Amino acid sequence: DTGVSQDPRHKITKRGQNVTFRCDPISEHNRLYWYRQTLGQGPEFLTYFQNEAQLEKSRLLSDRFSAERPKGSFSTLEIQRTEQGDSAMYLCASSLEGFRGYTFGSGTRLTVV
Amino acid sequence: AQSVTQLGSHVSVSEGALVLLRCNYSSSVPPYLFWYVQYPNQGLQLLLKYTSAATLVKGINDFEAEFKKSETSFHLTKPSAHMSDAAEYFCAVDGGSQGNLIFGKGTKLSVKP
Repeated sequence: DTGVSQDPRHKITKRGQNVTFRCDPISEHNRLYWYRQTLGQGPEFLTYFQNEAQLEKSRLLSDRFSAERPKGSFSTLEIQRTEQGDSAMYLCASSLEGFRGYTFGSGTRLTVV
Repeated sequence: AQSVTQLGSHVSVSEGALVLLRCNYSSSVPPYLFWYVQYPNQGLQLLLKYTSAATLVKGINDFEAEFKKSETSFHLTKPSAHMSDAAEYFCAVDGGSQGNLIFGKGTKLSVKP
């Protein structure tokens, strides 16, 4: 098991473009979480999945953001019409149901220019 | 609602000195508490967690933390700092039944030779 994988590690995009990130969780983990971390801040919760169901979305997740986990395995996070304020590290974590703790991936750093 | 406050955005110690990173929490229910470490451009690695068992929790790399309910604190300590401990440290509290974590703003630890 190689842990939680995120791809790409870095993404530079022009304002207004769409971007998509991928997260591959630990295979036996049924919960998958997305967090956003801006410079000088701790991670902030965006959304989470239990298997393929998206069960909670933060108010931080605007209409331009969408996340999917189609088969309960990998997940994608798409940002449409990117804005400079979207520049951040996007972190994925997975866990077992009821387990109070995560395994984080290394994150995708997004820079919007 | 749960929240975490980390006192001191930057802490500097000499190599071999005691490390003390402060965390206070607010929670309406008995909390689960966590300390994570983040190296530059990396994800978060779990150092230790409190899950209502022993109040003194030992983690990796000789870190430990003590849960003090009367002080609503969960401070992180290490007897002797190493250069490799230089990183950012985040305290987090379990956000509730959904399993999301609420993070503090982080404390950047510098270790001087």
